[in-house]
Amino acid sequence: NAGVTQTPKFRILKIGQSMTLQCTQDMNHNYMYWYRQDPGMGLKLIYYSVGAGITDKGEVPNGYNVSRSTTEDFPLRLELAAPSQTSVYFCATQDTPRSNQPQHFGDGTRLSIL
Amino acid sequence: QQQVKQSPQSLIVQKGGISIINCAYENTAFDYFPWYQQFPGKGPALLIAIRPDVSEKKEGRFTISFNKSAKQFSLHIMDSQPGDSATYFCAAALPNKLVFGAGTILRVKS
Repeated sequence: NAGVTQTPKFRILKIGQSMTLQCTQDMNHNYMYWYRQDPGMGLKLIYYSVGAGITDKGEVPNGYNVSRSTTEDFPLRLELAAPSQTSVYFCATQDTPRSNQPQHFGDGTRLSIL
Repeated sequence: QQQVKQSPQSLIVQKGGISIINCAYENTAFDYFPWYQQFPGKGPALLIAIRPDVSEKKEGRFTISFNKSAKQFSLHIMDSQPGDSATYFCAAALPNKLVFGAGTILRVKS
């Protein structure tokens, strides 16, 4: 039982390049989230999804896009990478949207844009 | 206001000591207050959580104290161990939404 799997673990991009961060889960959770973590800033929500075919913006969506074609997968796309997008990205899942349900995190993708 | 303010930014404690991390929130609509623990190279994982109608919750060496009138809550780690060295995030939850504090880097010296 892998839980939440993120790939790649590390990536260096040049300014203006694009890439997709992959997130897949085997817990059959409908709710999925993408966060970015910057030093001293905590985790900020980029996008979230309440089920296949449904996505919505979080606190910091600019420069990113998502899709959710299956329950298992929730990829995050950077179209024109900028240095401000250097960060550690975490994908999380949740069984139900209830506040008292924990979010389950992957181990992150560390992305540097030079 | 959706912010959660967390302090201190970093903390060094001797083995066996008490680690205390504090958080404050503004939005009274938050209805659950979890703490997440994160080890280097890993994602955050739920450590302990509390409802706002409870003043204290204890799980082993970890205790949350909650002051609803002051809109503050804190994590106490008793008998701190080197294995507790990690980053700790407080959070405040609404349905479908978690607002995180900035995090506290805890180092327990042996």
